[in-house]
Amino acid sequence: NAGVTQTPKFQVLKTGQSMTLQCAQDMNHNSMYWYRQDPGMGLRLIYYSASEGTTDKGEVPNGYNVSRLNKREFSLRLESAAPSQTSVYFCASRDSQLYGYTFGSGTRLTVV
Amino acid sequence: GNSVTQMEGPVTLSEEAFLTINCTYTATGYPSLFWYVQYPGEGLQLLLKATKADDKGSNKGFEATYRKETTSFHLEKGSVQVSDSAVYFCALSRAGGSQGNLIFGKGTKLSVKP
Repeated sequence: NAGVTQTPKFQVLKTGQSMTLQCAQDMNHNSMYWYRQDPGMGLRLIYYSASEGTTDKGEVPNGYNVSRLNKREFSLRLESAAPSQTSVYFCASRDSQLYGYTFGSGTRLTVV
Repeated sequence: GNSVTQMEGPVTLSEEAFLTINCTYTATGYPSLFWYVQYPGEGLQLLLKATKADDKGSNKGFEATYRKETTSFHLEKGSVQVSDSAVYFCALSRAGGSQGNLIFGKGTKLSVKP
């Protein structure tokens, strides 16, 4: 099925460990996004990529890095995980003409 | 800056009850407005949208009307079902560039009891 695929679905890390969350879309969308979702906070934008080869910070970028590997893939990296990064992470993509987002099913990350 | 405020939850209703979830926004210009729904354990799905004043978005029995005079986009459904239990997010998007990024409200959890 066409859409946004995120891996892994679940992950537990120890404080200080690093990991990369993967995201791929097959809809030929230009823009891609990483959000985190925390109870009572809604969704907050971490980083986005308006087009292949560009990335920009969102509302809460500290502690994260991103790579727009090609038009399909947009990865999120935690270099040194902290308990405050325990969250559910969502990747999304957008057709720039229609403004609607398509979301992946999320990665539930726990940092202990 | 741009922002979205939606009613605090959780909201608990009986099956076939009328639903209203309030959403108001602050934005310069003419944003597009959206409602997203998140079922347990899943990502967000677009429920409906409206791109200009007085537009009515509708889907699966849900409706919302873009009211510029009151800066509101309230979600309504005449008769809810147990399967409507989910978290609902109101969001806005300005056209173009970084302003096209979606800004979300904090979400309203709806529970529908049989």
